[in-house]
Amino acid sequence: DADVTQTPRNRITKTGKRIMLECSQTKGHDRMYWYRQDPGLGLRLIYYSFDVKDINKGEISDGYSVSRQAQAKFSLSLESAIPNQTALYFCATSDFRVETQYFGPGTRLLVL
Amino acid sequence: GQNIDQPTEMTATEGAIVQINCTYQTSGFNGLFWYQQHAGEAPTFLSYNVLDGLEEKGRFSSFLSRSKGYSYLLLKELQMKDSASYLCAVRDNTNAGKSTFGDGTTLTVKP
Repeated sequence: DADVTQTPRNRITKTGKRIMLECSQTKGHDRMYWYRQDPGLGLRLIYYSFDVKDINKGEISDGYSVSRQAQAKFSLSLESAIPNQTALYFCATSDFRVETQYFGPGTRLLVL
Repeated sequence: GQNIDQPTEMTATEGAIVQINCTYQTSGFNGLFWYQQHAGEAPTFLSYNVLDGLEEKGRFSSFLSRSKGYSYLLLKELQMKDSASYLCAVRDNTNAGKSTFGDGTTLTVKP
């Protein structure tokens, strides 16, 4: 079984809709991250969490929110989706001692 | 803050050797990572350097010079499956100890 899972893997939604992307991990890591990747571009950090009660904004947090429901779960919400949020979204986890990141398979989101 | 630079694209021939460079500027360096990402897939960890020198792992090696703010990833005996994007990431203690990713280098291996 995969250590980091994301649901859904693909999602099509309409402008203005609220959607949630979910991430779960079985690696026992304390740190979790949400990134977006646009075609031909690198990873941009949306939000990160170092512990259950810790939530921090990344470089592009506007229009997004997160919830760390448990050590193993970290959800990303788009409050009111817009077309320029169409992207590939990755969740990642790491251990604070080394910070090697382990990525989920990604969620491909299309906002019409 | 950090500034990470990598070439955008590189092309090499199957069986050859290619070196992908990464330069960075950071005030609290605490490790450099290389990840491989095939198109449409998740990045996967390749290597980690925190001290100066060369780390070898099969066909892949990674080098670090902290004084120069420089790293490279060396891929030997290139195979078609090595066609992918290679991401350099730097961990910074002044950035809450988390990593910042470069934009990646897209490597195309040709027959």
